[in-house]
Amino acid sequence: EVHLLESGGGLGQPGGSLRLSCTASGFTFSDYAMSWVRQAPGKGLEWVSAISGSGGSTSYADSVKGRFTISRDNSRNTLYLQLNSLRVEDTAVYYCAKERAPGIAVAGTLDYWGQGALVTVSS
Amino acid sequence: EIVLTQSPGTLSLSPGERATLSCRASQSVSSYLAWYQQKPGQAPRLLIYDASNRATGIPVRFSGSGSGTDFTLTISSLEPEDFAIYYCQQRSNWPRTFGQGTKVEIK
Repeated sequence: EVHLLESGGGLGQPGGSLRLSCTASGFTFSDYAMSWVRQAPGKGLEWVSAISGSGGSTSYADSVKGRFTISRDNSRNTLYLQLNSLRVEDTAVYYCAKERAPGIAVAGTLDYWGQGALVTVSS
Repeated sequence: EIVLTQSPGTLSLSPGERATLSCRASQSVSSYLAWYQQKPGQAPRLLIYDASNRATGIPVRFSGSGSGTDFTLTISSLEPEDFAIYYCQQRSNWPRTFGQGTKVEIK
C-alpha cells in the first residue's frame, strides 16, 4: 500500500526558512516523479514544484521560483521542499504527491497524496 | 499559463440525482486533463485521468469526457459520500494548473 507522510511544517517568520520532508513507502520511489502541491486556507490547489524520479529534472511555479528548492534522496525514499525567503502568502497546507505513471520526467497526474503539512508564515 | 475555468461554482443536488460538472481550458490541453475529489480536511483523490480514464478503485458512476478545451465530469447517481469539492487539472503545459473547483452540496 502506498503511503506518503509529510513532516516539518510549522510556524515560520517572513523572510525565514523551513524544510518539509515526505517519507514514501509501498512503491519503488526512484521510479516515480514526485510533486508538492499547496492549498491556502479556504482556497484551491496550486502546484508548487515537481521532480523527476532520478532528481535530475525539477520544475517550479513562478510564485516560488528562486525561493523554494525541491530535492529527493532515493536511498531514504524521501522527498524534500526547502522553503526560503518565506512570505505571508506562502501560508498553506503543503501536500506531497506521487505521479501516476512510472518513468515520467515531469509529474502530471497525481494518484497518491499525503495528509499534508501546515506551514504558517507570520511575524 | 493555462487557465481552467470550472462551472458551476456550486451544484445543489439530492442523492440519486445526476451531477454534471464542466471544465473549460484557455487553450487546448488535448486529453491531458484529470479530475480530483476533495472532502473537508482531506487530501485530494484522483478520480479521472487523461480525460476519461477512471483511476484505480473509482466507482463506475464517475465518468469523464471531452478533449481540447471542454471537459465534463459526470456522476451518474449521487451517493452521500460524493458531496465534496471537485477540481480539474491539466498536464499539457508547465505550470500544471487546477481549476477553482466546483462544490457539490446536498440540496
